[in-house]
Amino acid sequence: EVQLVESGGGLVQPGRSMKLSCAASGFTFSDYYMAWVRQAPKKGLEWVASISYEGSSTYYGDSVKGRFTISRDNAKSTLYLQMNSLRSEDTATYYCARHVYTVFDYWGQGVMVTVSS
Amino acid sequence: DVVLTQSPATLSVTPGERISLSCRASESVDTYLHWYQQKPNESPRLLIKYASQSISGIPSRFSGSGSGTDFTLSINGVELEDLSIYYCQQGNSLPHTFGAGTKLELK
Repeated sequence: EVQLVESGGGLVQPGRSMKLSCAASGFTFSDYYMAWVRQAPKKGLEWVASISYEGSSTYYGDSVKGRFTISRDNAKSTLYLQMNSLRSEDTATYYCARHVYTVFDYWGQGVMVTVSS
Repeated sequence: DVVLTQSPATLSVTPGERISLSCRASESVDTYLHWYQQKPNESPRLLIKYASQSISGIPSRFSGSGSGTDFTLSINGVELEDLSIYYCQQGNSLPHTFGAGTKLELK
């Protein structure tokens, strides 16, 4: 059974940093692209970033480009999202998702990030 | 960026009826259009991929159609457990974008 479990969220002040993790199990992690998708409170879904199998290629949405970094450790079957220079508009639930070509086929339960002073 | 417009924003339904939800793209996305269901306080779940391809474990009452710019998600015989928000997503180009969602509520 595919499982994706996010961690690392919480309350953070504007301008500070936070790192999210996503532990994957139930599939061969290195065989899949992975992604982060977020959802602001009471809002829709927004793709944040994706990463290739070995991490050599990364892709970002315009709203986070230059501030967020997606990475992975295939030996640990773990996906990461380093978030710097956080803004109030980054407040959201962040979902880890398996990214198969153009489809997000499995999603984690999500982790809440609140950016506030 | 490709803008996906979903309609209606909210749909009031009666159990048992057949319904259709629309997703319109601002430019052609071929069949790189996928549908997700999000129940209250849950993560999104993939329902339909590549416009019309079914997903293992998803009830057969869900179906999708369309190509290019106009797409439809149909539910043949709505059940109470289907009361959710439905999102479409395009994967034809980056950034991958989502529609704003259609909320199904009980009439």
